Amino acid sequence: DAGVIQSPRHEVTEMGQEVTLRCKPISGHNSLFWYRQTMMRGLELLIYFNNNVPIDDSGMPEDRFSAKMPNASFSTLKIQPSEPRDSAVYFCASSRDWADYEQYFGPGTRLTVT
Amino acid sequence: GDSVTQMEGPVTLSEEAFLTINCTYTATGYPSLFWYVQYPGEGLQLLLKATKADDKGSNKGFEATYRKETTSFHLEKGSVQVSDSAVYFCALSDQTLGNYGQNFVFGPGTRLSVLP
Repeated sequence: DAGVIQSPRHEVTEMGQEVTLRCKPISGHNSLFWYRQTMMRGLELLIYFNNNVPIDDSGMPEDRFSAKMPNASFSTLKIQPSEPRDSAVYFCASSRDWADYEQYFGPGTRLTVT
Repeated sequence: GDSVTQMEGPVTLSEEAFLTINCTYTATGYPSLFWYVQYPGEGLQLLLKATKADDKGSNKGFEATYRKETTSFHLEKGSVQVSDSAVYFCALSDQTLGNYGQNFVFGPGTRLSVLP
């Protein structure tokens, strides 16, 4: 298996623009997680899905952030409009089940908002 | 709610030195415990895990023992190498029914630098 796939790997955009990050989980995994990593705040769980259904989005910082999982093999995290403080590395991870103890992380998308 | 506390870094060691990174946790249920490692420019990778009290997880020379009495899961390695330089995250997964929101909690990470 190719592992968790994220795209793009790097994104540079201007403040106010819409940004869409994409993730393909490992085939057969039922849970998908979106994290944000910054030097100041460390690794933060933004939202996670189980069987394509959002279970907990309490980590989503504000209404500018939204996430979808239209099917078992694809998820998006959208920021609209983007702000410089959104600059971070965004990781997607998947696991067999929400209660599974092992998450597999993608390589991350480094977002820079100028 | 559930939480994980790690020793603050960065930790700088010479090659072949002994490594300990402390980790303690609080949880309402009976969590599974993990150490993840993040190498520069990469995502996190599972290093080792322990699913019940007194279990010892081990991998690549690293070890950690699940100590319920002290709520700890300290990471150790007898002889570190330059290639071990990375950020190490302690984490827990609390499978208490209904506790969806706290299922997986990561510590802040500890940066390790090993000098030749």
